[in-house]
Amino acid sequence: GAVVSQHPSWVICKSGTSVKIECRSLDFQATTMFWYRQFPKQSLMLMATSNEGSKATYEQGVEKDKFLINHASLTLSTLTVTSAHPEDSSFYICSARDSDRAAYEQYFGPGTRLTVT
Amino acid sequence: GDSVTQMEGPVTLSEEAFLTINCTYTATGYPSLFWYVQYPGEGLQLLLKATKADDKGSNKGFEATYRKETTSFHLEKGSVQVSDSAVYFCALSGAGGYNKLIFGAGTRLAVHP
Repeated sequence: GAVVSQHPSWVICKSGTSVKIECRSLDFQATTMFWYRQFPKQSLMLMATSNEGSKATYEQGVEKDKFLINHASLTLSTLTVTSAHPEDSSFYICSARDSDRAAYEQYFGPGTRLTVT
Repeated sequence: GDSVTQMEGPVTLSEEAFLTINCTYTATGYPSLFWYVQYPGEGLQLLLKATKADDKGSNKGFEATYRKETTSFHLEKGSVQVSDSAVYFCALSGAGGYNKLIFGAGTRLAVHP
């Protein structure tokens, strides 16, 4: 079946630094990738939708200059948290979808836990 | 806006017990409804879906019926196994299922032998 990987699975960084999270579709071409954020005991919140070769579409309230998303190829999207602060600590999840698929036909990565100290 | 509310966990059951995880939703129009499951260390996987009122989604012994009158989509299984231990997410998307997914908070299920 379709597999999506994320790297790293967990990362600790110091306040003020930037950290990059990779999301890869391993056995299919992902024309659309999604980035979610999950707080403890809360639901997954969609941060942004990225389509290969174009700018990401951010959800209301998500700072696009802080959460930089790049979807440069059909198998790779990256999320860069710039100038990270402790409040950015969270669980970040990506998902990927082939073209023309319905929203529910997303394949999810296992997530990346970010801790900012 | 659209939202999903599901029962808080954790839910702890003995093997072969009956499972119900409640899910209710608020949405305009006629959304599609889904249950996703996340096993430890893995990504979310679609468990079952229903795209219109009175539809019943089923998979791996799990069932859920789209109840428009009560805006609910409760997940049930008649006899749980230890291998069912996971986090279960209820979700919806706009009519036709082509819009973004909106998730509930997730319910952790722990099944003991």
